[in-house]
Amino acid sequence: KNEVEQSPQNLTAQEGEFITINCSYSVGISALHWLQQHPGGGIVSLFMLSSGKKKHGRLIATINIQEKHSSLHITASHPRDSAVYICAVPIIQGAQKLVFGQGTRLTINP
Amino acid sequence: NAGVTQTPKFQVLKTGQSMTLQCAQDMNHNSMYWYRQDPGMGLRLIYYSASEGTTDKGEVPNGYNVSRLNKREFSLRLESAAPSQTSVYFCASDRDRGMNEQFFGPGTRLTVL
Repeated sequence: KNEVEQSPQNLTAQEGEFITINCSYSVGISALHWLQQHPGGGIVSLFMLSSGKKKHGRLIATINIQEKHSSLHITASHPRDSAVYICAVPIIQGAQKLVFGQGTRLTINP
Repeated sequence: NAGVTQTPKFQVLKTGQSMTLQCAQDMNHNSMYWYRQDPGMGLRLIYYSASEGTTDKGEVPNGYNVSRLNKREFSLRLESAAPSQTSVYFCASDRDRGMNEQFFGPGTRLTVL
């Protein structure tokens, strides 16, 4: 059983649509990361949040610690948003480290 | 400020050969990580170093060794490469064991024939 589950695994949408990617986790955490991996392979951190909501440009991340669920929203989606979006949570197994979801492949068509 | 750098970017090995992947960060981070990424598997932790002088096994450590040479550098060694180690390898670092923003290197694409 994966400790971090993302849905959907693949998502295709038209430019301008509102996008939601979900992340559920089964372990107790104090924070959650959202990452973006571009088609070229590079991985960048988008958000780290422990409560409520964070916004950066057209990206919004929310988290509900009690329900163990986080969402990443993209408003006014654009083809350049096409990427794999990954959520990750820090867990303690020995020392503390990140466990990753499988990723959501997003394709925005013009 | 280069962030996290990895060398090489691409490598082809024959089964049984050895090699070392190099990683360095210039952000004064305490924690460093080696991941592998395979199609459909997501990122999996191979080894990590929570702080200088310590290393620990991750999810998939078999066939690998690591060295935290100093605070900046964390290398990954394949002693006897196997085709199952064909993957993309990412080095990453953060200030404190996953509780801060994690920065990733550009990746090394390794093929073992």
